[in-house]
This record gives sequence, structure tokens and C-alpha cells, in this order.
Amino acid sequence: SQTIHQWPATLVQPVGSPLSLECTVEGTSNPNLYWYRQAAGRGLQLLFYSVGIGQISSEVPQNLSASRPQDRQFILSSKKLLLSDSGFYLCAWGVGLGGGTEAFFGQGTRLTVV
Amino acid sequence: SQELEQSPQSLIVQEGKNLTINCTSSKTLYGLYWYKQKYGEGLIFLMMLQKGGEEKSHEKITAKLDEKKQQSSLHITASQPSHAGIYLCGAEDSGGYQKVTFGTGTKLQVIP
Repeated sequence: SQTIHQWPATLVQPVGSPLSLECTVEGTSNPNLYWYRQAAGRGLQLLFYSVGIGQISSEVPQNLSASRPQDRQFILSSKKLLLSDSGFYLCAWGVGLGGGTEAFFGQGTRLTVV
Repeated sequence: SQELEQSPQSLIVQEGKNLTINCTSSKTLYGLYWYKQKYGEGLIFLMMLQKGGEEKSHEKITAKLDEKKQQSSLHITASQPSHAGIYLCGAEDSGGYQKVTFGTGTKLQVIP
């Protein structure tokens, strides 16, 4: 069966420090991968999605970047964190192009920038 | 891009009562998803609707998509404390990459 791993579960980082959140998927090949952020009091915002290795699409201009070095690995990074980067980050994967298949989510990383 | 409005933003109901959450789109929905999120956790898939007029049920939760495919509702019958959480509707972008954008969520509390 397919599983998705996301870590760390919680993270407290000072302003200006770098960030690296990792997400890996098992049990599937060539998944579409997504990073979402859920800020306090706001909905789930799509940050990046990837349809293949090295292919990243950015939905919102921001202080963050994403990379996909391997088929089932998706990394969210920042060189210098801002206070506004605090939030709950969720990695997700899905299969196929369109077609109405569901997305599967990791357990999330709660990031607090202090 | 897809704009999804959810209502109400929050809801407090007494155990055993029925409730409905609505999700309205500014555009035709190609795929409408309902997810539930426990506080601080990942999302759990509930149901997915694609066809106008479609209705699906799982246990005490029923989701419907209207004929015009611009509005969906999630109905919980005889609510229980285990139903508490944040309910999110998500819509698939017509771009074909299964890019799902979400509404702002409805926070549900069920009082025993």
C-alpha cells in the first residue's frame, strides 16, 4: 500500500535561519507531489506541485522553494525564514493527470518561526 | 484560479443533531473533494464527487454536488463527538494535473 512520510512533525526556527522539510512517498511510481501550507485562521494554500523529477511549479511567489531530486522525494526549503512563514505544512501526493483521483496527505509539519 | 467559499466558517452543534456544510465555487467543478482534518494533523479523505447531481454517503456523512457543478454540500446525520474537526472542500483544477485547491474550511465542534 502507498504511504507518505513527512518530517519533522514540529519545528521551531529563528528568523533568518534556513529550512528544509522532507517528504517521501512509498508504494507508487511517478506520483504528482504537492506542498500546501495552512496558516492560522486560513485555508489550505497550494505552494508547489511537481509532476516529475526536477519539474516544479510555483503557485504563490514567496520566500520558499521546492525541489524534487528523486521520483518519490519532495523537499521544501528556504534560505532565510520570515515570521510570516509560520504555519502548518502538508505534503501530498496523487496519481495521474486529472481524472478525479484523491490526494493523500502526510501528517504535516508545524513550523513556528520566532 | 479556482475560488472556493465554505460556509459556515465554524459550527457548534449538540451531539445527535444534524448539520450541513456548504462549498460554493466561482467556476464549474471538475472534481470536488471533501476532507476532514483533526487539529494539527493531516487530511483524511472523505468523498469525491464528479458528476452533476451526484450524491455519495459513507456512514452518517452524505455529500452532494449540484447539477450545475458549482456547489456541494456535506451533511452529517446524528452528529457525534468523533465528527469534530475541520472540514475542507477541495476542487480539482481544470488544468489536468490533479491540482487541488481548497476552501477555507469549516470548524465543527460537537458538544456531548
